[in-house]
Amino acid sequence: QKEVEQDPGPLSVPEGAIVSLNCTYSNSAFQYFMWYRQYSRKGPELLMYTYSSGNKEDGRFTAQVDKSSKYISLFIRDSQPSDSATYLCAMSDGGGGNKLTFGTGTQLKVEL
Amino acid sequence: DGGITQSPKYLFRKEGQNVTLSCEQNLNHDAMYWYRQDPGQGLRLIYYSQIVNDFQKGDIAEGYSVSREKKESFPLTVTSAQKNPTAFYLCASETGKRYGYTFGSGTRLTVV
Repeated sequence: QKEVEQDPGPLSVPEGAIVSLNCTYSNSAFQYFMWYRQYSRKGPELLMYTYSSGNKEDGRFTAQVDKSSKYISLFIRDSQPSDSATYLCAMSDGGGGNKLTFGTGTQLKVEL
Repeated sequence: DGGITQSPKYLFRKEGQNVTLSCEQNLNHDAMYWYRQDPGQGLRLIYYSQIVNDFQKGDIAEGYSVSREKKESFPLTVTSAQKNPTAFYLCASETGKRYGYTFGSGTRLTVV
């Protein structure tokens, strides 16, 4: 079993829809949680960063962390075709080296 | 503008050859990382360095080598011992304050 599980999709939604992306994890030591967006043939870019449990909002994006369930989510409101990309969750226990463990990524397509 | 520069963008390697991937950052970040990305497997850590002249193996270091002679530079050599080197290689850096990585745009390596 992988430390971080993420549904690979693909997920296809109409423009304007609310998108929900999720990851589950098994390591209870994880306390730093991130979401990255990766366009095809590009490097990932950091979208959201959350420490410990709770919600964080930034524009159309909301990140949620439920440490009791070992479950994190990213919500995208009013989705746009430019949101079409692969979304990677990542997490760390903050220990030596701050090594991130990544999910496999969910491919999202927002259609006109 | 500050960022991470990876070169070349595409690289072709013949069987038995060593090749070196370049990674340079002008963000003044202390920590640097090399990840490998394969379809369906997410990002896997090859090597990381928290300080000049020091580096540690990640989860899949066999067949790879690195150096960290300058803060700005963290080149990765893919040796002939790496049996399956075809992949997308990503370099990243981090401030050390657990705020997430900044990634380069990647190098796609193909064995011919």
